Amino acid sequence: DTEVTQTPKHLVMGMTNKKSLKCEQHMGHRAMYWYKQKAKKPPELMFVYSYEKLSINESVPSRFSPECPNSSLLNLHLHALQPEDSALYLCASSQGERITDTQYFGPGTRLTVL
Amino acid sequence: AQSVAQPEDQVNVAEGNPLTVKCTYSVSGNPYLFWYVQYPNRGLQFLLKYITGDNLVKGSYGFEAEFNKSQTSFHLKKPSALVSDSALYFCAVRDNQLIWGAGTKLIIKP
Repeated sequence: DTEVTQTPKHLVMGMTNKKSLKCEQHMGHRAMYWYKQKAKKPPELMFVYSYEKLSINESVPSRFSPECPNSSLLNLHLHALQPEDSALYLCASSQGERITDTQYFGPGTRLTVL
Repeated sequence: AQSVAQPEDQVNVAEGNPLTVKCTYSVSGNPYLFWYVQYPNRGLQFLLKYITGDNLVKGSYGFEAEFNKSQTSFHLKKPSALVSDSALYFCAVRDNQLIWGAGTKLIIKP
């Protein structure tokens, strides 16, 4: 099974709200990722966790705060977002960070910031 | 630097005809190449990858891709297109992380 689940499917929030996106995988993968995707564009890498430790932060603004509570879960905490942050947020996982490891993606959370 | 190009923004194919979605790459070492598909309002689904070995890679949903080192290409193919194949297709090469092409919209007309 190559399933990555994400909740919620849709989220609408104001610029002063605090919300969280959740991602879960039960494939025993040890690397997990957050991507941001604008319409009809390729995904942009935000964060990488490897063995529950943050390994890559692609200069993401601090209003996005990732958290990896355990090897199966990945959260993205959102605070004081801007309308330009509206996008599809994708979570992915892979067995490891090896160059040959396949990343499997969840269905995404469609975020709208008002 | 590693890069991937998908030269066609959109490809139109009649149902039942063969389809090709083009991808070319530029890498400094061995290429590790991936194809993903994204259906409307959905996440990305892995189709296939080339790591090493046979130049013809078979993947999900009847898709295959041909790795051509001399032409630095990794074109995605399917012998007979289905209307349900209509989607956005991304080619990617793995460096430290995935480097993505711009995407090609595939439209299959009945």
